[in-house]
Amino acid sequence: RKEVEQDPGPFNVPEGATVAFNCTYSNSASQSFFWYRQDCRKEPKLLMSVYSSGNEDGRFTAQLNRASQYISLLIRDSKLSDSATYLCVVTTYGNKLVFGAGTILRVKS
Amino acid sequence: DAGVIQSPRHEVTEMGQEVTLRCKPISGHDYLFWYRQTMMRGLELLIYFNNNVPIDDSGMPEDRFSAKMPNASFSTLKIQPSEPRDSAVYFCASRGLAGGPNSYNEQFFGPGTRLTVL
Repeated sequence: RKEVEQDPGPFNVPEGATVAFNCTYSNSASQSFFWYRQDCRKEPKLLMSVYSSGNEDGRFTAQLNRASQYISLLIRDSKLSDSATYLCVVTTYGNKLVFGAGTILRVKS
Repeated sequence: DAGVIQSPRHEVTEMGQEVTLRCKPISGHDYLFWYRQTMMRGLELLIYFNNNVPIDDSGMPEDRFSAKMPNASFSTLKIQPSEPRDSAVYFCASRGLAGGPNSYNEQFFGPGTRLTVL
């Protein structure tokens, strides 16, 4: 079983739609959680950290459920520029990031 | 700030040849990471350094791979001899000093080196 699992998609949505991505992790000792964004043929970039209390950054909302070992990302009012691969990332001890395989989002006009 | 710099951006070589990938981390960052990304395996951590010292190389696939960090501003990842299955995008990332062993500071990735081994 992979340490971090994501639905690979692709998710094809129209502009303005709300889309949700899910991620599960297997190591209950995981301590930190993140969503990274990777554009085609580019490097990954941090989108947002994920906290147990949930956190929001503009149109993006991230949630963490430690009991279920489940992480989510909600994107509201999708823009064409949101098209990318979204990577779920966990760490067990500060320095090592473990990446999921990524979920592809395509927003169409 | 120029960000993490990697060279070359693209490398095409033949099986059996030596390949050297280079990375310059962000100035002042004391952690450096090497990752490999393939369609089949996704993004995998190969090795990371703290203050130029290798801390964890458990992700290095085999002895053909080696990494060095001779100083705070330069690191290399070498593959010798290269094989077609080494074809991938290799990313270098750096991070500033964390607040403690369980804290996290954002890792900044370089643009990657796209390696093709024929």
